[in-house]
Amino acid sequence: DTAVSQTPKYLVTQMGNDKSIKCEQNLGHDTMYWYKQDSKKFLKIMFSYNNKELIINETVPNRFSPKSPDKAHLNLHINSLELGDSAVYFCASSRDRPGQSVRWSGNTIYFGEGSWLTVV
Amino acid sequence: DAKTTQPPSMDCAEGRAANLPCNHSTISGNEYVYWYRQIHSQGPQYIIHGLKNNETNEMASLIITEDRKSSTLILPHATLRDTAVYYCIVIGADYGGSQGNLIFGKGTKLSVKP
Repeated sequence: DTAVSQTPKYLVTQMGNDKSIKCEQNLGHDTMYWYKQDSKKFLKIMFSYNNKELIINETVPNRFSPKSPDKAHLNLHINSLELGDSAVYFCASSRDRPGQSVRWSGNTIYFGEGSWLTVV
Repeated sequence: DAKTTQPPSMDCAEGRAANLPCNHSTISGNEYVYWYRQIHSQGPQYIIHGLKNNETNEMASLIITEDRKSSTLILPHATLRDTAVYYCIVIGADYGGSQGNLIFGKGTKLSVKP
C-alpha cells in the first residue's frame, strides 16, 4: 500500500483555470505538508497541517489554499493558475509536528510521488 | 536559502563506497542533520539522521565531525539504484515556525556507474 498518495500525477491546464491536487496518507501521521519543487530543483515547503490545524504557511500567493478535511487528507487548491505555477508538487507527512523536540529525532518526513503541474 | 552546501555532482563506481560530503558550518546545538535522496521522478526518501554521534542503518552511515560543521553520508556498496540526488538538510528540534529549516537545497547528484 502506498503510504502517501497524491492525485493526479500529471496535470496540464490552461492559465486562469482552477485546479486541485489531492493527498492522502495511511500512516496514521498527525502532520501533513505540501512542498513545491521548481525548475531549479529547489524543494520548498508551502504549508503544513497538524491534526487539521494550519501550522506552517510559507509566503505563497493566496491563490493557493490548502484544505484538510481530516488528518489523513490534505488537498491543495490553486485558483487562477499562472505560468509560474508550473512545478512538481509533493505531499508529505510525518508522525509529529515540527518542534516537538522530545520526539523530533524520530520525525521522519514521508513524501508522495509528486504531481507534475504544467500551466500552458 | 538552504543552510547546507554540497557538491553539485559526484560519480561512484558500482560496488564501491560513495562518500557524500555536506557542510553546515552555521548549525546550532539543537539542529539535527538529515539526509534524504530523490530518485528521478520520485518523491524524496529519508535515509538517515543524526545529532552529533555517528549513525548507521541498513541504508547508510552518517559521520558527523566533532565540531558538527560538516558531515559525510556513506553508502558502503553503491549500486546502480543508488543513482539519485542526495539532500543534506538541518532541522531544528525547536522548529517553532522557522520556515527556513525545511528548505532542501540543490543537493548532490550521485551517478553510480557500472
